[in-house]
Amino acid sequence: AQKVTQAQTEISVVEKEDVTLDCVYETRDTTYYLFWYKQPPSGELVFLIRRNSFDEQNEISGRYSWNFQKSTSSFNFTITASQVVDSAVYFCALVNSGGYQKVTFGTGTKLQVIP
Amino acid sequence: GAGVSQSPRYKVAKRGQDVALRCDPISGHVSLFWYQQALGQGPEFLTYFQNEAQLDKSGLPSDRFFAERPEGSVSTLKIQRTQQEDSAVYLCASSRLVAGGEENEQFFGPGTRLTVL
Repeated sequence: AQKVTQAQTEISVVEKEDVTLDCVYETRDTTYYLFWYKQPPSGELVFLIRRNSFDEQNEISGRYSWNFQKSTSSFNFTITASQVVDSAVYFCALVNSGGYQKVTFGTGTKLQVIP
Repeated sequence: GAGVSQSPRYKVAKRGQDVALRCDPISGHVSLFWYQQALGQGPEFLTYFQNEAQLDKSGLPSDRFFAERPEGSVSTLKIQRTQQEDSAVYLCASSRLVAGGEENEQFFGPGTRLTVL
């Protein structure tokens, strides 16, 4: 069975602060993919990043960065210099590499960036 | 447009009514998924189609839920005798391949928000 845990239900930060969203996952598969999605108030899931289980390199994309640590089964997401437009619910998700790849989502972290 | 579309975007039903939710996947995508997202929760898997074949319906919460994809493209999720606990956003996603690596990303539609009164 697969499980994704996002322990932070809601986070509030003041604009320009850095914020890290935590994600811990469980899987028996040796090959898998991890994702982060953003869900703004409009409701659509916006893909942010995909990382496969063999690639533990951290990644930076503009103000976003991701820290994948297989040893602790964590895939944390940091937003640097947060902006009001970052306010949304963020989901961490896990997909196994075999079969038809249904997505297992965490419960989400609601981020509110206060101007 | 080139993305996944869903209709209607919003649906209000009285308890006991039947509803039908439509998903238009990206053209040529083999795989199609339905997810249910309750308020304040993450999406949860309902069912999976590979072309017209429904290969996994393990996530359907009851026999009131029924999904079909008769021609391997458009899919319909039907809920019979709706209950208040069925209120949720229903998300559809499609992917190009059956299985595989990074090229098999799932693309999500905007969802249908169902409210059962």
